[in-house]
Amino acid sequence: GQQVQQSPASLVLQEGENAELQCNFSTSLNSMQWFYQRPGGSLVSLFYNPSGTKQSGRLTSTTVIKERRSSLHISSSQTTDSGTYLCVLSGSFNKLTFGAGTRLAVCP
Amino acid sequence: GGIITQTPKFLIGQEGQKLTLKCQQNFNHDTMYWYRQDSGKGLRLIYYSITENDLQKGDLSEGYDASREKKSSFSLTVTSAQKNEMAVFLCASSTDSNSDYTFGSGTRLLVI
Repeated sequence: GQQVQQSPASLVLQEGENAELQCNFSTSLNSMQWFYQRPGGSLVSLFYNPSGTKQSGRLTSTTVIKERRSSLHISSSQTTDSGTYLCVLSGSFNKLTFGAGTRLAVCP
Repeated sequence: GGIITQTPKFLIGQEGQKLTLKCQQNFNHDTMYWYRQDSGKGLRLIYYSITENDLQKGDLSEGYDASREKKSSFSLTVTSAQKNEMAVFLCASSTDSNSDYTFGSGTRLLVI
């Protein structure tokens, strides 16, 4: 079965609105990460967050292991935030298991 | 800072053709990976290598070969391209620490 489920699958925002992206995982994990992928671009690691809350600028990641979930909060969204956000679990040898992603479009 | 380079950026092949994708990194990372990304799906692991000359199969290894002849390079071969196949192949490298994981910009494959 699918180990990593992300919601919503897609999201459209007006610039300035906030977004909450969810990730649920069905297996125990070594760590979890959030990646960002611009259309046609490579992946960039946003957060390595096995547990607790981490913040970087307008982005906040919260992982609750016992509930097997993680969230990514984007505040005051900008058009440059558009792209795909991927929730990723890592296991032995750093092998990654990816969710299908949330496709975000921020309109001016 | 280091860089991870994938070549070619675009690859058009014919059905049945053997195609090779290359990846180079200068981070001195031990582990390298090949992932495949299909539209609307998450990335899936094809092969990975934890050191020079090591090869480990991922979830999607059938139809592929890989080679890690040097620590800095990891190549992937599509053994027989499938007609109408279209995907992005992403190479990555990492240290033992989960927090240090870097992706290349990808090779876009189209089979006609």
